[in-house]
Amino acid sequence: EVQLLESGGGLGQPGESLRLSCAASGFTFSSYAMGWVRQAPGEGLEWISSISGGGGVTLYADSVKGRFTISRDDSKNTLHLQINSLRADDTAAYYCAKANSGRLENWGQGILVTVSS
Amino acid sequence: QSALTQPRSVSGSPGQSVTISCTGTSSDVGGYTYVSWYQQHPGKAPKLMIYDVTKRPSGVPDRFSGSKSGNTASLTISGLQAEDEADYYCCSYAGTYFYVFGIGTKVTVL
Repeated sequence: EVQLLESGGGLGQPGESLRLSCAASGFTFSSYAMGWVRQAPGEGLEWISSISGGGGVTLYADSVKGRFTISRDDSKNTLHLQINSLRADDTAAYYCAKANSGRLENWGQGILVTVSS
Repeated sequence: QSALTQPRSVSGSPGQSVTISCTGTSSDVGGYTYVSWYQQHPGKAPKLMIYDVTKRPSGVPDRFSGSKSGNTASLTISGLQAEDEADYYCCSYAGTYFYVFGIGTKVTVL
């Protein structure tokens, strides 16, 4: 059974940094692209970043480009999202997802990031 | 990339059918067969319901079906049930590891 478990969220002040992690199990992690999707309170889903299996290709939405960095550690079956220069509009639930042939087929339970002074 | 266009809400009585449209462009919905649909109940993670426009993952009831014509995809829920009340999001692959979501549709079972 595929399991994805996010961690590292919480309260951050504007301008600070935060690192989210997603521990994966139940599949050959290194063989799959992974992604991050966020959802601001009361809003819809927003894809923000993807990384290829093996990590050679990374992609970002314009809304986070330059501030967010996606990475993976295939030896630990873990996906990361580094968030720098936190802004109020980064407040959201962040989901990691396993990508497969054009779909996000498994999702974590989500982790909340709140940006407030 | 702009979000795909969906109706904000649709509703139907139990047993009826509802259809949700999802309109994009030739760079996303119209350009790929990788359209997927996700169901999200309040406070829960999204769940994949349809992928590759028409396919259902194991365990998804066959009441859920998908289709596409040109730049518009659709999700139909037949035989609406109370547990189908949720938010539904379409999503299109739009290039190498790039995805774009719809704005979401709230389905209400009357």
